[in-house]
Amino acid sequence: EPEVTQTPSHQVTQMGQEVILRCVPISNHLYFYWYRQILGQKVEFLVSFYNNEISEKSEIFDDQFSVERPDGSNFTLKIRSTKLEDSAMYFCASRTRRGGTGGKTQYFGPGTRLLVL
Amino acid sequence: AQTVTQSQPEMSVQEAETVTLSCTYDTSESDYYLFWYKQPPSRQMILVIRQEAYKQQNATENRFSVNFQKAAKSFSLKISDSQLGDAAMYFCAYRSGGGGADGLTFGKGTHLIIQP
Repeated sequence: EPEVTQTPSHQVTQMGQEVILRCVPISNHLYFYWYRQILGQKVEFLVSFYNNEISEKSEIFDDQFSVERPDGSNFTLKIRSTKLEDSAMYFCASRTRRGGTGGKTQYFGPGTRLLVL
Repeated sequence: AQTVTQSQPEMSVQEAETVTLSCTYDTSESDYYLFWYKQPPSRQMILVIRQEAYKQQNATENRFSVNFQKAAKSFSLKISDSQLGDAAMYFCAYRSGGGGADGLTFGKGTHLIIQP
């Protein structure tokens, strides 16, 4: 069964450094998302992406964040200058464009655990 | 903005018993989707069950079923014949049915413990 994959599984970085988190969505999916989950807290929406542009973003997704689909398979989240509070689990998700509940269902990757020191 | 409330931070159930996890939400929309996701210790987010708001029939997936009460804005998850592998965090999530807003709004989660 196709799955969303994410790399790396863990990343440790120094405050102020740039990080790029990578995701490979399910191959026939057209909508892509990033979420984050600070340890012990709920999952929070960051951004959605469709047709090579951002379709929606939350207040969390400020100028420090950017997303890109550099080729036909990868979807990346870049944090330009990491802060301590960026330490979290980052989830990528994707979905198809089919109608109904099936098309609205987002499938999540296993996450990247980011630790900012 | 929509909000999702899970009022039970933790629930415990004996193996083979039935447990119900509660979820309420606040919205002014009439068209939306609701989901339950499971997050085991690996922290992977796994879809458990989903429901379209316009469907009156409650969704079921094997041992998992929901009690969707649209007027009360309630979406509880019932797990029958609980198994040790069901132990996880369970998150309720809301998605607008409109064409624009597409991000999921999650509740804070319920930690489900299965007692052997």
